[in-house]
Amino acid sequence: GAGVSQSPSNKVTEKGKDVELRCDPISGHTALYWYRQSLGQGLEFLIYFQGNSAPDKSGLPSDRFSAERTGGSVSTLTIQRTQQEDSAVYLCASSLSGGAGANVLTFGAGSRLTVL
Amino acid sequence: AQKVTQAQTEISVVEKEDVTLDCVYETRDTTYYLFWYKQPPSGELVFLIRRNSFDEQNEISGRYSWNFQKSTSSFNFTITASQVVDSAVYFCALSGKDSWGKLQFGAGTQVVVTP
Repeated sequence: GAGVSQSPSNKVTEKGKDVELRCDPISGHTALYWYRQSLGQGLEFLIYFQGNSAPDKSGLPSDRFSAERTGGSVSTLTIQRTQQEDSAVYLCASSLSGGAGANVLTFGAGSRLTVL
Repeated sequence: AQKVTQAQTEISVVEKEDVTLDCVYETRDTTYYLFWYKQPPSGELVFLIRRNSFDEQNEISGRYSWNFQKSTSSFNFTITASQVVDSAVYFCALSGKDSWGKLQFGAGTQVVVTP
């Protein structure tokens, strides 16, 4: 597609429920990233996929968070047993590759998650 | 560890004034990339510029200009003759050899331009 597409744009859930957030990167972009933006923590890196390599999960805050990328394209971020501190905007980004010189990230509009 | 500091939380200016946003970074890498992104009220992060550590030339793009100084580890951003449409949060970011695509963002500077 023309840009990075994320869904849903808004999600309200109850504490303890699981949520799935979806990201459709720009066609042809091999690298995909998830970031989280919250008032207290700013913009935080969560996870990074590059081609068929094992993802870099170093930013995931707990084992309740996981992500997968199917067929090298669409990615789903899953948060299990949501907590109120998970409330944030979850941003997906993609880039042509993860290599030096091709690391300009294009961001989606984000999925705003509110945990009640 | 990498770190990006944007000490200014908010800057308010009147239209047509110039505004400079400060960005100071820390890294042990000799090769790294610096970025500026704009986040308007709509929320989507918009890429403005990328600069690698070997290119210290200042850059101008329309009313935007960037001053990269390795000696002071700074990558400052100036908006000349500000306009209301420049009102946004501006983020400075850094990536290094650990992962070129993994950006360390600063806290952001909110720019408010009033008519």
